[in-house]
Amino acid sequence: GESVGLHLPTLSVQEGDNSIINCAYSNSASDYFIWYKQESGKGPQFIIDIRSNMDKRQGQRVTVLLNKTVKHLSLQIAATQPGDSAVYFCDTGRRALTFGSGTRLQVQP
Amino acid sequence: EPEVTQTPSHQVTQMGQEVILRCVPISNHLYFYWYRQILGQKVEFLVSFYNNEISEKSEIFDDQFSVERPDGSNFTLKIRSTKLEDSAMYFCASSRGARETQYFGPGTRLLVL
Repeated sequence: GESVGLHLPTLSVQEGDNSIINCAYSNSASDYFIWYKQESGKGPQFIIDIRSNMDKRQGQRVTVLLNKTVKHLSLQIAATQPGDSAVYFCDTGRRALTFGSGTRLQVQP
Repeated sequence: EPEVTQTPSHQVTQMGQEVILRCVPISNHLYFYWYRQILGQKVEFLVSFYNNEISEKSEIFDDQFSVERPDGSNFTLKIRSTKLEDSAMYFCASSRGARETQYFGPGTRLLVL
């Protein structure tokens, strides 16, 4: 079956540094990818998405890179802030989002 | 910016009682979802709903659960006879299309005693 997963359970960075969160997927036919984050006690929050006809998309302080050759995508957060502390998830835009264990980003002051 | 809203924010109920969790999806969205998150665990998909019928459901969504869109704005999740293990945060979400971004509400924390 299709799987999507984050590489690391936890990522710790210093405030102001850039963060890179990596994700791998198994289905080469996937054509839409989404990043969500979940802060403690809150619902999942959409961050950014990318379609397979692109390999890079930028938002405010975030960039998503898609490498279809190795079925890998990454989320880059520039100048990480304490408010970025959350669990981050990637998914392939299926109806039933799977929300695996995610990567917990910890921002050290 | 439009957002998904959910009521109540917290609900405490006795085991065996029926509860109805309410959601108001974003107004031009056509697809609606319920997810739950047991404390300390991952968010789990329950059900998706489109055109007044269930389009997909998980193994968790058994006969004690039902969903309804009673009017043009609300989307509800009913748990007929609550069990202790139904205690969780329940999130509603909506999307414009079938494989488009889902926007989540703030959740209802359900505690079954």
